Amino acid sequence: AQSVTQPDIHITVSEGASLELRCNYSYGATPYLFWYVQSPGQGLQLLLKYFSGDTLVQGIKGFEAEFKRSQSSFNLRKPSVHWSDAAEYFCAVGGNNDMRFGAGTRLTVKP
Amino acid sequence: DTEVTQTPKHLVMGMTNKKSLKCEQHMGHRAMYWYKQKAKKPPELMFVYSYEKLSINESVPSRFSPECPNSSLLNLHLHALQPEDSALYLCASSHGGWGAGGMTREQFFGPGTRLTVL
Repeated sequence: AQSVTQPDIHITVSEGASLELRCNYSYGATPYLFWYVQSPGQGLQLLLKYFSGDTLVQGIKGFEAEFKRSQSSFNLRKPSVHWSDAAEYFCAVGGNNDMRFGAGTRLTVKP
Repeated sequence: DTEVTQTPKHLVMGMTNKKSLKCEQHMGHRAMYWYKQKAKKPPELMFVYSYEKLSINESVPSRFSPECPNSSLLNLHLHALQPEDSALYLCASSHGGWGAGGMTREQFFGPGTRLTVL
């Protein structure tokens, strides 16, 4: 079965600074990768997804992610963080009739 | 309409109560999901319905009973719950049905029902 690791439980960045959230996956076939964001007490919203093709994918709210097969990674980036980006971020991998979420990374944005 | 709605938003129930959670979508999605999410944890898949038929039950206790009355509605009936069942219950849906590649599609999530069992 597939698995996902998000090494960083909590990250704090200053508003306007760049952001990178790490995600590593384990899956034997071509992975279907997702990044979701969850604000407190809310459901999950899809930021972006990778199925195939260009390994740099653009998402909503200015986020992008790069798929690196050699490193089994799918890191999420944003060049300039806004205070409204403070939330929980989940990386997920789909396949084999299963969807596995990473443990999540909580993002705090300092003024 | 591109959203998944869930009612109620909050629910408090005793261990002997019977209650139901409701989920609705009008996007024509044929796969619908229930997830359980404990505080500071990722969502855990409970059930998957595809074309109104139960496709996956992730070894969920029988005190949780899902129902899919039609292609737009998904219910979760609760009975004799335990305090450890307190969590955020999320509903999601995706295009097409389950089958091959079901878990490769983007899922649209509702806002969840915050359940507290006393």
